[in-house]
Amino acid sequence: GQQVMQIPQYQHVQEGEDFTTYCNSSTTLSNIQWYKQRPGGHPVFLIQLVKSGEVKKQKRLTFQFGEAKKNSSLHITATQTTDVGTYFCAVLHYSSNTGKLIFGQGTTLQVKP
Amino acid sequence: EAQVTQNPRYLITVTGKKLTVTCSQNMNHEYMSWYRQDPGLGLRQIYYSMNVEVTDKGDVPEGYKVSRKEKRNFPLILESPSPNQTSLYFCASSLGGSRPSTDTQYFGPGTRLTVL
Repeated sequence: GQQVMQIPQYQHVQEGEDFTTYCNSSTTLSNIQWYKQRPGGHPVFLIQLVKSGEVKKQKRLTFQFGEAKKNSSLHITATQTTDVGTYFCAVLHYSSNTGKLIFGQGTTLQVKP
Repeated sequence: EAQVTQNPRYLITVTGKKLTVTCSQNMNHEYMSWYRQDPGLGLRQIYYSMNVEVTDKGDVPEGYKVSRKEKRNFPLILESPSPNQTSLYFCASSLGGSRPSTDTQYFGPGTRLTVL
């Protein structure tokens, strides 16, 4: 089945430093979604990318979809303590009428004040 | 308020004692899904449902059952729980439609299950 590898698994940064997490696939993706899960909380949708080379921004967060649609990244500029949590990428794998959603393993971000 | 609810939020049980975790959404979503979350493994899909009476296996369906008799509810059933099913479980829903949904998944608050 389709696999999505997400790296790194953990990242500790000093407040104000930048942070990036990457998702990689061996196959071409139709779309990719990003979610954030705060400690003790549930995943919350951040964004969806569908076009080759697409770049979207949400304040300090920049999301990119690779030109070959096999990888994606989430970059946070000047991290804040409110950015703490686990960030997941997710891809929809479907054929005919199936709709499986495959999540990456997640990157847990710790921010030191 | 648009939401996905799960019950119970916490459950400690013993091996072999059947249990059901309920999931309900009030957004008229067609697509519903169950995930388990384990450290280092991320979220893994157990079962999903494209619409009423339509369910299909995700990546880790063994030991679980689901049903979708009505649009708003998607219960997760563990007929004979075992310790390796100790995990954090999330239900989620999305708009869906005539083709598999690529839109936003709304997650419930989670159910922490411990099987002794």
